[in-house]
Amino acid sequence: KAGVTQTPRYLIKTRGQQVTLSCSPISGHRSVSWYQQTPGQGLQFLFEYFSETQRNKGNFPGRFSGRQFSNSRSEMNVSTLELGDSALYLCASSLEGALTGEAFFGQGTRLTVV
Amino acid sequence: DQQVKQNSPSLSVQEGRISILNCDYTNSMFDYFLWYKKYPAEGPTFLISISSIKDKNEDGRFTVFLNKSAKHLSLHIVPSQPGDSAVYFCGRAGSQGNLIFGKGTKLSVKP
Repeated sequence: KAGVTQTPRYLIKTRGQQVTLSCSPISGHRSVSWYQQTPGQGLQFLFEYFSETQRNKGNFPGRFSGRQFSNSRSEMNVSTLELGDSALYLCASSLEGALTGEAFFGQGTRLTVV
Repeated sequence: DQQVKQNSPSLSVQEGRISILNCDYTNSMFDYFLWYKKYPAEGPTFLISISSIKDKNEDGRFTVFLNKSAKHLSLHIVPSQPGDSAVYFCGRAGSQGNLIFGKGTKLSVKP
């Protein structure tokens, strides 16, 4: 059974640009969550999608958005990139939401904003 | 408001000894508390969780303790192995399935 796949693995973007990251969850999983990892803040929750609907949202500005397709694949978009957006972006999938704490993470996309 | 807090950014332990990682939380309305492990260049992997109605959960070398009166969660690794060297995140699962994590503790197990 394939794991969670995130593409691309690495990205370098210029301040002011926008970026789209992709996440393919484990087959059969309908919940996809996105997290940002930075050295100072650890793992911070961005948002969660379930059956193509955003079900939960963290405390990030509106420049961070996402969507989920009918096959459960999800994309995350960041517009008007800032230097502080440089981070590892992780997605996690679970059957219906990590209600008991267990989710499966991808390897992440390392975004560098210059 | 950081609902889950890991006060120790790092911990160093000798191989074969016990590793104890700690976590404090501020809100009691959680269903599950959890621990994840993360190696460099990999995504976090689920390690163990505990229901808020229990005090202890064990899985092999890993035991999680929940002290509800102190609002404290701990992970014990016995015996510690060099392969356990990683960043450990404690967290909680909310009622709608999102995960809230602490900032992590880097564990180094010396041979």
